[in-house]
Amino acid sequence: DAKTTQPPSMDCAEGRAANLPCNHSTISGNEYVYWYRQIHSQGPQYIIHGLKNNETNEMASLIITEDRKSSTLILPHATLRDTAVYYCIVRPRGVYNTDKLIFGTGTRLQVFP
Amino acid sequence: KAGVTQTPRYLIKTRGQQVTLSCSPISGHRSVSWYQQTPGQGLQFLFEYFSETQRNKGNFPGRFSGRQFSNSRSEMNVSTLELGDSALYLCASSLSPGDQETQYFGPGTRLLVL
Repeated sequence: DAKTTQPPSMDCAEGRAANLPCNHSTISGNEYVYWYRQIHSQGPQYIIHGLKNNETNEMASLIITEDRKSSTLILPHATLRDTAVYYCIVRPRGVYNTDKLIFGTGTRLQVFP
Repeated sequence: KAGVTQTPRYLIKTRGQQVTLSCSPISGHRSVSWYQQTPGQGLQFLFEYFSETQRNKGNFPGRFSGRQFSNSRSEMNVSTLELGDSALYLCASSLSPGDQETQYFGPGTRLLVL
């Protein structure tokens, strides 16, 4: 079962920041927060992950609350190509944990012109 | 660099038949994982291969099997197809097992069982 809760859908204007929330109140100490997205008819795409510190890469920023019970994925300047379903996942990192990749229902982000 | 490729992209079969799906990982990637994605169950792990050896297996019946070749290409086979096997089957490759940051997914094979 998915261990995260996300809003089913969100809208965002092109060029604006998209802030996607995720609740993971039962996260364990050794579990990381991962974000993936899936564009229609394509496979999931890894975006970013973090343990307890905020993280940033070329795609997005990840803000994790101090108690680690929730996080926010930030797409700083959303484009139409960012329209996708975004999945927030908690899982241990490392070898032999590929089977822990369990997607929930995700948030369907619609970026409009 | 070419991405993960899966063939065929779409497939229609009938109950009782068997099917073989193919996955070619990104060049240099030696780990291949297979997943089943359905609207009701989400993404479920099938198995993972590294260096031609199955390293991890999900909770699926023995009708689901796989293998990996010396060039890291992988196939999965489903025998005696059931209606519930209709799903998107995704393959993901990575440099090493469990390496999520370099795990890239293919576009998937959409299987419809009638």
